[in-house]
Amino acid sequence: GENVEQHPSTLSVQEGDSAVIKCTYSDSASNYFPWYKQELGKRPQLIIDIRSNVGEKKDQRIAVTLNKTAKHFSLHITETQPEDSAVYFCAATSNAGGTSYGKLTFGQGTILTVHP
Amino acid sequence: GAGVSQSPSNKVTEKGKDVELRCDPISGHTALYWYRQSLGQGLEFLIYFQGNSAPDKSGLPSDRFSAERTGGSVSTLTIQRTQQEDSAVYLCASSFREFGQSEQFFGPGTRLTVL
Repeated sequence: GENVEQHPSTLSVQEGDSAVIKCTYSDSASNYFPWYKQELGKRPQLIIDIRSNVGEKKDQRIAVTLNKTAKHFSLHITETQPEDSAVYFCAATSNAGGTSYGKLTFGQGTILTVHP
Repeated sequence: GAGVSQSPSNKVTEKGKDVELRCDPISGHTALYWYRQSLGQGLEFLIYFQGNSAPDKSGLPSDRFSAERTGGSVSTLTIQRTQQEDSAVYLCASSFREFGQSEQFFGPGTRLTVL
């Protein structure tokens, strides 16, 4: 099955700096890679996702890049703000058929702290 | 519209008791997922429903865990003879399509504590 590794486990930055979180996956059939943000005590919420037919996607201060050959994808947050502080999870899933439709395999999470 | 809801929000039980956790997905969402999040950990897949059937139960940790979904809507996760290691937040998610590339919307979770 799929295995997703996420690094770093904690990340501390100053307000205005950039933050980068990296994930690797093992299943070459994976083709959908969402990123979720989870604030303390709250539910995970999707912030951006990317499909395997594109290499990069951007939404304001957030961008995700995907390298299918190397099987890794990254989240980039620019001009970080204190409200970006949260736990970020990457995930991967395959639409390759069988019984694994939609099953997300998550990374272990990155605790991002943005200091004012 | 209303998002995914779960009940109860918190459940404290004694070791050996059975518990039932409920999930109400977003109306019209055909796919429903259960995940478990232990303290400081990522989300662990438990089971996936497509309509009322469960084509993927591969994440259920033991035969003490079971789940059902009726009417293509509400789902119940049942844990029998609870153990302390079952303590976690149980999250439910739903998505519009059963295919993988559709956003999963999460509920607020049920925090289960087994004493």
